[in-house]
Amino acid sequence: AQTVTQSQPEMSVQEAETVTLSCTYDTSESDYYLFWYKQPPSRQMILVIRQEAYKQQNATENRFSVNFQKAAKSFSLKISDSQLGDAAMYFCAYRSAEHTGTASKLTFGTGTRLQVTL
Amino acid sequence: DSGVTQTPKHLITATGQRVTLRCSPRSGDLSVYWYQQSLDQGLQFLIQYYNGEERAKGNILERFSAQQFPDLHSELNLSSLELGDSALYFCASSVEGGVAGGTYNEQFFGPGTRLTVL
Repeated sequence: AQTVTQSQPEMSVQEAETVTLSCTYDTSESDYYLFWYKQPPSRQMILVIRQEAYKQQNATENRFSVNFQKAAKSFSLKISDSQLGDAAMYFCAYRSAEHTGTASKLTFGTGTRLQVTL
Repeated sequence: DSGVTQTPKHLITATGQRVTLRCSPRSGDLSVYWYQQSLDQGLQFLIQYYNGEERAKGNILERFSAQQFPDLHSELNLSSLELGDSALYFCASSVEGGVAGGTYNEQFFGPGTRLTVL
């Protein structure tokens, strides 16, 4: 079974600064997807960024980028030019690329609460 | 707005009772996933339906059941409720969810139903 670990329960960053959230995962599969979801106080789950394991290039979405290290099974999220609206819980998630049985489910880490200060 | 709707938004009930949570997927999506977010267990996958058929089961209690109707909306039934069932229940939908292949399809999350068992 796959597991996702987020070892930072809470992080804090000053507005306009850069912060990196860590995530490690364990899997025996070679093809999979990794995600970062944002959950603001509204509780809505919002997809921030996605990475396909077969792609070596790190995904980027505006101020959000990832550092994907497949051999190390590490998938960190970097937020540049942090804004007050970035304050939220951030969840790392794993999904198998196989499409049978429970393969389509998302497996989440425990989350990192990000605080953005002035 | 993800296009996934969930009703009710909030539900308060007593131990031993039974409740039904409803989810309407995005137009065109065939798969519905149910997730539970609790303080104890974090975010975990419960069950998935694809075009009316159960496709995968996760950590779903025997007291819980679900179904997907011909119009593709889904209901999650929780019975003999216990205090520990208090949680946020998310529904997500995607276009696919059970066909072998390598195509990625994003899961879009609804706003969730907050269940409080007193």
